[in-house]
Amino acid sequence: DTVLTQSPLSLPVTPGEPASISCMSNESLLHSNEYNYLDWYLQKPGQSPQLLIYLASTRASGVPDRFSGSGSGTDFTLEISRVEAEDVGIYYCMQTLHTPPTFGQGTRLDIK
Amino acid sequence: QVHLVESGGGVVQPGKSLTLSCATSGFRLSNYGMHWVRQAPGKGLEWVALIGYDGYKKSYADSVRGRVTISRDEAKSTVYLQMNRLRVEDTAVYYCAREGGQWAWGQGARVTVSS
Repeated sequence: DTVLTQSPLSLPVTPGEPASISCMSNESLLHSNEYNYLDWYLQKPGQSPQLLIYLASTRASGVPDRFSGSGSGTDFTLEISRVEAEDVGIYYCMQTLHTPPTFGQGTRLDIK
Repeated sequence: QVHLVESGGGVVQPGKSLTLSCATSGFRLSNYGMHWVRQAPGKGLEWVALIGYDGYKKSYADSVRGRVTISRDEAKSTVYLQMNRLRVEDTAVYYCAREGGQWAWGQGARVTVSS
C-alpha cells in the first residue's frame, strides 16, 4: 500500500500567522492525465472529514482562499496563509491514485 | 446536492454480526465506486472496503478480509457493509464515501464491539 507521511504531527499556530503541512508519498501520485491524486481534509472534533483541497491544488467548494495546496509526484504541501481559530482540528492527506486509498497520520493544528 | 447517510451502527458483542447501510442521494450511484472508511477512537482514518461502480470490483483491507462484505443496491441507492465475527478492535466510526474528483463523505455510524 502507498504510504503517506505527514509532518509535523503537531502544529501550534498563533492566529493570523501562516501554517504549512507536508505530505510525502513513497510512490508517485501523478496520473498519466497529469493530475496528482492527493487530497487534503480537515476533521474537526466530532465531525466527519471535510474536503479542503482535491487533485493536489484545487480548493473544494466553499473553502476559504487562505487554504492552498501545491506539489507534484511524491511531495505535497498544504498552506494556510493566515490561521483563524476555526481552523483547529486534524488535517489529513489522502491519496486516491493507487488502490487501496491511504491516509497520512494526521497533523493536529491548535491555536497558541 | 450530494448526500450520504449511514445507519445501522450500535453496540454489539464480540463474535456477532452487524450490517451498516449508506443511503445516497443527489447523484447516480451506478456511476461511482463507493468506499467504507473507519476511524477507531482517537485514531486516524483507515480504509476498509470498496465496491466498483458496476458492483463487480470489490476490495477489502487485510484487517477485515473474510469477515466483511460490501454490496450495493442501485434501486435503493444504498451501499451496505455486512460485518461478521466482530472483534473489539472493529470499534470505530464507519464512514461511507463516494469516490470521484471530489470525494463525498457521510457523517458516520458508530460501531462499538464490547461484551
